Amino acid sequence: QLQLQESGPGLVKPSETLSLTCTVSGGPTSSSYYYWVWIRQPPGKGLEWVGSSYYSGYNYHNPSLESRLTMSVDTAKNQLSLKLTSVTAADTAVYYCARHYSSGRYWLDYWGQGTLVTVSS
Amino acid sequence: DIQMTQSPSSVSASVGDTVTITCRASQGINNWLVWYQQIPGKAPKLLIYTASTLQSGVPSRFSGSGSGTDFTLTISGLQPEDFATYYCQQANTFPLTFGPGTRVNIK
Repeated sequence: QLQLQESGPGLVKPSETLSLTCTVSGGPTSSSYYYWVWIRQPPGKGLEWVGSSYYSGYNYHNPSLESRLTMSVDTAKNQLSLKLTSVTAADTAVYYCARHYSSGRYWLDYWGQGTLVTVSS
Repeated sequence: DIQMTQSPSSVSASVGDTVTITCRASQGINNWLVWYQQIPGKAPKLLIYTASTLQSGVPSRFSGSGSGTDFTLTISGLQPEDFATYYCQQANTFPLTFGPGTRVNIK
């Protein structure tokens, strides 16, 4: 059974960099069948796709975040990483990692439990 | 970007009722439409993909239909565990986009 677990600081200061890791167990991040995904959800609000990463290093980013966003897959550690620079209060959200198929089947079938990141001084 | 809208934003219903939620895409997405259920404090759960295909393990009281720009999610015979927020997502192209959600409340 695939499991995903997010980890990282729960509090980040404005203008600093938000860094999260997602550890995947029960399946390889090196699979060519899947993209590894970050989704976020501000408190009380809806879901926002952050970006999707392929094991080869190819990424799709949300255009609204692209200038601040770095995502990668570490197949040796079976982890995903997310870095978002110059954060503001608007980046406060629960961040989820998830998976979708490659080849046009972009639905998210496995999710982590999510981790709340608060941006505040 | 493809914009997704949902209606209603919330609905109150009783156990045993049938509830229908509508999702509309700003441009045609064939049948690349996905539905998720989110219980407060939990991660979203995949219910339906390609507009009408039930994810493994999802009860048959959930059904989806539609193609192009207009889609529906129907819950027939609401159960207590179905009171949640439901989101649609277009799975046609990047950037992936979600609807704003429909909250199903207990009447």
